[in-house]
Order: sequence, then structure tokens, then C-alpha cells
Amino acid sequence: DAKTTQPPSMDCAEGRAANLPCNHSTISGNEYVYWYRQIHSQGPQYIIHGLKNNETNEMASLIITEDRKSSTLILPHATLRDTAVYYCIVRVEDSNYQLIWGAGTKLIIKP
Amino acid sequence: NAGVTQTPKFQVLKTGQSMTLQCAQDMNHNSMYWYRQDPGMGLRLIYYSASEGTTDKGEVPNGYNVSRLNKREFSLRLESAAPSQTSVYFCASGTGLWGPQHFGDGTRLSIL
Repeated sequence: DAKTTQPPSMDCAEGRAANLPCNHSTISGNEYVYWYRQIHSQGPQYIIHGLKNNETNEMASLIITEDRKSSTLILPHATLRDTAVYYCIVRVEDSNYQLIWGAGTKLIIKP
Repeated sequence: NAGVTQTPKFQVLKTGQSMTLQCAQDMNHNSMYWYRQDPGMGLRLIYYSASEGTTDKGEVPNGYNVSRLNKREFSLRLESAAPSQTSVYFCASGTGLWGPQHFGDGTRLSIL
């Protein structure tokens, strides 16, 4: 079973920051948080990952709470092309570190 | 730069038929993976290969076999297809095991 909880859907206005929450209350100390997205029916696309520090790259920022029980993916200036399903995944130690995928959040960017 | 290439893109099989899904990557990645995705769900790992010459079972390996032919290629075989194997199959590759993965565009497989 997935170790993360995400809202099934969210809306965001074009040009605004999209903040996607993820709860992972049972995460253990050496388990990473990964974010991927899947646009329409294409293959998933890697976005970002982190352990306990906040991370930023050209696509997004990842904010992980100090207790590591939740995180937020931030798309700073959402465009219509960011409409996708976003998956928050914990790399699970007791599954040999495999990625266990949940159903994700359907993010719709509105003009 | 093609990335991860999967063939075929679509396939319809009859129950009991066999087929092999092909995957090739041109990024010199060590690790390769096969996933399936059923409607409205996330991906489930079928098999993975940490490096050339090694393969291991994932979450849902029953009914499948794999071959890591060389560093570039990782194939998935269905020996006797069943309707429950109707799904979209994704191949992925990455530099390190369980690190960031690059995905192909998928093979849409229907078994009647």
C-alpha cells in the first residue's frame, strides 16, 4: 500500500503558484520523498525528490516539514501545460526501497 | 536523443497468446524497470534490473518474465496472456537504483 495521502484533485489559476500537499506520516528516517507527474496518458516525468531539506530545481520546489510527516510541491508559476496527475511517493525501506505509487492528485490549471 | 523507447505502442492479444514487449534506452543508465498502470491507478512495479545481468521481482511479477539483454535493452514477456493483464505497460531507466527514473511512452495492451 502507498505510504502517502494526497487530495484526489485540485484547481489552480494560470500564472499563480500551485501548492500540492502530501501526507506521509509513517515515513522513516532514511526514506526519500519523490514527486512525479503524468500528463494525459504519457509516461510519468520525474520532478524532484528530497530527504529532509527543502529542494529546488528548474521545475519546482519541495518543502518538507521538520517532522517529515508531510511535504508540499510548489510549481511557482503554473501554466496550462502543468495540468497533470501529480504523484507523491515515498521510497519505502521495507519494500527494498521500491517506489510505491498511489493514485496521485489531478491538478487542473485554469485560464 | 530518444531517451526510453518502447515497442509496440499498441497491441491486442487473445487469451493464451504470448508476446514480448521491448524497451531500449540510450542514456547509458544502469537500472531499468517495468511497470503496469491500470485505469485510475498509480504504477505498480513488475520487475526491475539494477544492472546488466541482474533482474529482480517487483510488486506484481506473476505471469511475467524479463530479460536484461544488455545495458540498453530490457524486455518483458507474457508467456500466456490473461485478460487481467490488460493494462498500460511502462518501461523506465535510471542511473542509480531507485533514483530518478526516465519513462517511455508506454505500451497499451489489450487481452481479449
